Amino acid sequence: QKEVEQDPGPLSVPEGAIVSLNCTYSNSAFQYFMWYRQYSRKGPELLMYTYSSGNKEDGRFTAQVDKSSKYISLFIRDSQPSDSATYLCAMSEGLTAGNNRKLIWGLGTSLAVNP
Amino acid sequence: DTEVTQTPKHLVMGMTNKKSLKCEQHMGHRAMYWYKQKAKKPPELMFVYSYEKLSINESVPSRFSPECPNSSLLNLHLHALQPEDSALYLCASSQDSPVTGYEQYFGPGTRLTVT
Repeated sequence: QKEVEQDPGPLSVPEGAIVSLNCTYSNSAFQYFMWYRQYSRKGPELLMYTYSSGNKEDGRFTAQVDKSSKYISLFIRDSQPSDSATYLCAMSEGLTAGNNRKLIWGLGTSLAVNP
Repeated sequence: DTEVTQTPKHLVMGMTNKKSLKCEQHMGHRAMYWYKQKAKKPPELMFVYSYEKLSINESVPSRFSPECPNSSLLNLHLHALQPEDSALYLCASSQDSPVTGYEQYFGPGTRLTVT
């Protein structure tokens, strides 16, 4: 079993839809959770960074962390064709500086938002 | 400003060549990272420098040699590479502090082709 599981998709939605992207993990020591967006042949762009459980909102994006279920989500409201990309979740243990520097990644979910 | 710059954007090299990849950040971040990314895979950590000292080497072959001349610059020296080393090479940086955070910001990458 991988430490972080993420459905690779592809996920295809119409413009304006609410998109839900998810990752599950097995290591209960993970404390820092990130979502990155990566366009084809470009570097990953940090979208959301959260610590421990709870919700965080930034514009059309909402990140949720449920540590009791070992489950994290990224919601995209009013999705746009420009949101078409691969979305990667990543997490780290947070117990030591060394552990914080090593991110454990999901495989990424490919999203297509159709006009 | 969360910009990490990388040069060159593209690089084609033969197996006997020596070349270098360069990365620069002006965010005052104290940790810098090299990653390798293959198509449809998440980034794979290679090296981490923290406060200009090598902190993590993920058992990378010696044909890859990192260098951190100062806190803003990171180089990756390449020598006698193999065709399977062809990939997108990503640089990232982070604050590397329990107070200000460990989230990583990525550059656009260098697409390397080894012939």
